[in-house]
Amino acid sequence: NAGVTQTPKFQVLKTGQSMTLQCAQDMNHEYMSWYRQDPGMGLRLIHYSVGAGITDQGEVPNGYNVSRSTTEDFPLRLLSAAPSQTSVYFCASSDPIQGWTEAFFGQGTRLTVV
Amino acid sequence: QKEVEQDPGPLSVPEGAIVSLNCTYSNSAFQYFMWYRQYSRKGPELLMYTYSSGNKEDGRFTAQVDKSSKYISLFIRDSQPSDSATYLCAMSRSADYKLSFGAGTTVTVRA
Repeated sequence: NAGVTQTPKFQVLKTGQSMTLQCAQDMNHEYMSWYRQDPGMGLRLIHYSVGAGITDQGEVPNGYNVSRSTTEDFPLRLLSAAPSQTSVYFCASSDPIQGWTEAFFGQGTRLTVV
Repeated sequence: QKEVEQDPGPLSVPEGAIVSLNCTYSNSAFQYFMWYRQYSRKGPELLMYTYSSGNKEDGRFTAQVDKSSKYISLFIRDSQPSDSATYLCAMSRSADYKLSFGAGTTVTVRA
């Protein structure tokens, strides 16, 4: 049982490049989300999904796209990378169907945009 | 003004000391209050959660929520070097599982 797996762990992009951050979970959780963590800012919600085919915007969605074609996977796409998107990105999953439950986080992807 | 305020520290204490962490918030709709622990270069892990107001104790850890003051606290008794980490408070609304985080407080426990 791997939990939440994020790939890659590290990435350097040039301004204007696009890329996809991968997130997969094997706990059959319905709820998945993406956060970015910046110094002094805590974690801020980018996008979230309450089930396959359903996504919505969080607090800081600009410059990012998501899709949820399966329960297990929730990729985050950077359309045209900017230095302001340099951050650590965390994917999380939880199962709210049974009431409030713990959110499980991946190990993070450290992204640098130059 | 941020929805959840948390002093980022850093906080350095000797082994065995009591660590006191707190957060304030502005949104009265929050019902679930959580503390996550994050070790360096790792993802956050849930430490404790509390529903609505009250206290909760788990071993050396005590979480307190005062909804009337919009103030939550985490106390760590008999702190150990292994408690050195960043502690993030988080909150969510009862029907909304999106988490709102504080900035995190970095704690170092000196042996």
